[in-house]
Amino acid sequence: GQQVMQIPQYQHVQEGEDFTTYCNSSTTLSNIQWYKQRPGGHPVFLIQLVKSGEVKKQKRLTFQFGEAKKNSSLHITATQTTDVGTYFCANTRGNQFYFGTGTSLTVIP
Amino acid sequence: ETGVTQTPRHLVMGMTNKKSLKCEQHLGHNAMYWYKQSAKKPLELMFVYSLEERVENNSVPSRFSPECPNSSHLFLHLHTLQPEDSALYLCASSQALAKNIQYFGAGTRLSVL
Repeated sequence: GQQVMQIPQYQHVQEGEDFTTYCNSSTTLSNIQWYKQRPGGHPVFLIQLVKSGEVKKQKRLTFQFGEAKKNSSLHITATQTTDVGTYFCANTRGNQFYFGTGTSLTVIP
Repeated sequence: ETGVTQTPRHLVMGMTNKKSLKCEQHLGHNAMYWYKQSAKKPLELMFVYSLEERVENNSVPSRFSPECPNSSHLFLHLHTLQPEDSALYLCASSQALAKNIQYFGAGTRLSVL
């Protein structure tokens, strides 16, 4: 299958600190999607990356797709309490979706 | 509000019951999906429908039976479930199979006693 491993599983940061979650695969990925799920909520789409080495930014969020298209990262600069939630990467191949296990972010005020 | 509505939001059922989960999307999308989200496990794709035809069935036990009467509605019929089937069941839709950004509903929290 197209398993994607995500680390870390949990991350606690002080408000204002940076945060990064990583998504890794042993095989080349056609694309990566990132989703955020707030506590008690449902996953919400953030971004899609398809090109080798691609970097996209959304305000304080920076998404990267590795040159070999085997890994991806999401970096949040100066976290805020509104960033709390679980961040998932997902790879799609054909009609299949393979989600990572997610990184649960806690922001301490 | 994502444009994808799931009912009921919570469901408790015994192992001998029969119940159905309903999903409706108001986005004009052509593809719909069922996922299972259990604690400490990745989101698991169960079924995929495109234009009312099932295109993926990921080794899901037959006690889960999907139905897609039209491109806006998706059901998941449940019968003789097991306690390990307790989970959050999420419905999603996408514009098409090839344009597959997922729009999720709020989910149905299912408890099987």
